[in-house]
Amino acid sequence: EPEVTQTPSHQVTQMGQEVILRCVPISNHLYFYWYRQILGQKVEFLVSFYNNEISEKSEIFDDQFSVERPDGSNFTLKIRSTKLEDSAMYFCAITPSGTGHNQPQHFGDGTRLSIL
Amino acid sequence: GQQVMQIPQYQHVQEGEDFTTYCNSSTTLSNIQWYKQRPGGHPVFLIQLVKSGEVKKQKRLTFQFGEAKKNSSLHITATQTTDVGTYFCAGPRGSSNTGKLIFGQGTTLQVKP
Repeated sequence: EPEVTQTPSHQVTQMGQEVILRCVPISNHLYFYWYRQILGQKVEFLVSFYNNEISEKSEIFDDQFSVERPDGSNFTLKIRSTKLEDSAMYFCAITPSGTGHNQPQHFGDGTRLSIL
Repeated sequence: GQQVMQIPQYQHVQEGEDFTTYCNSSTTLSNIQWYKQRPGGHPVFLIQLVKSGEVKKQKRLTFQFGEAKKNSSLHITATQTTDVGTYFCAGPRGSSNTGKLIFGQGTTLQVKP
């Protein structure tokens, strides 16, 4: 059973619309990550998040993107004004509680985002 | 910037044959992690190597971390159809402690029964 649940599993959105992808950990995790994977390509880091703050973000993670933990449990990735090139699988990942950033990451099943 | 390269990109083997994928980083890594992704699935953590020259085994899988901590390999002995998938190596960015993993392009393994 995955340690994180991602919703929705598939999101189809018109270009220019906003999307919110959700990640719900099973237990109380502190370290969160978002990655994306364009079809057939490698996994790319977007952002890492600890203690309600961004630890690091990649050059992909521009002003169009934002993350937050609105209720202390769900971890969300918001993409404003989506573009065609945002179409990809988006994975949420965590590290087991108490182990810190520099540890193996456990990925959710992902959300497939399709921009039309 | 830091890069992680993997070869080969694809490998087709007959069931029972061995398979090896190689991973090279442009910079020294504090550790290297290996993940497996089945078609349509998500990356699943396999192993983490930390020490220079470290070798770890998981049943038919053997993982090595180079002496210079810049390269690694995954070797599968006597492949089975259940080994099908894409194998990624990943390492943290430099001395980063922010959790950012840089993934290689992956090696996709196809096994013919």
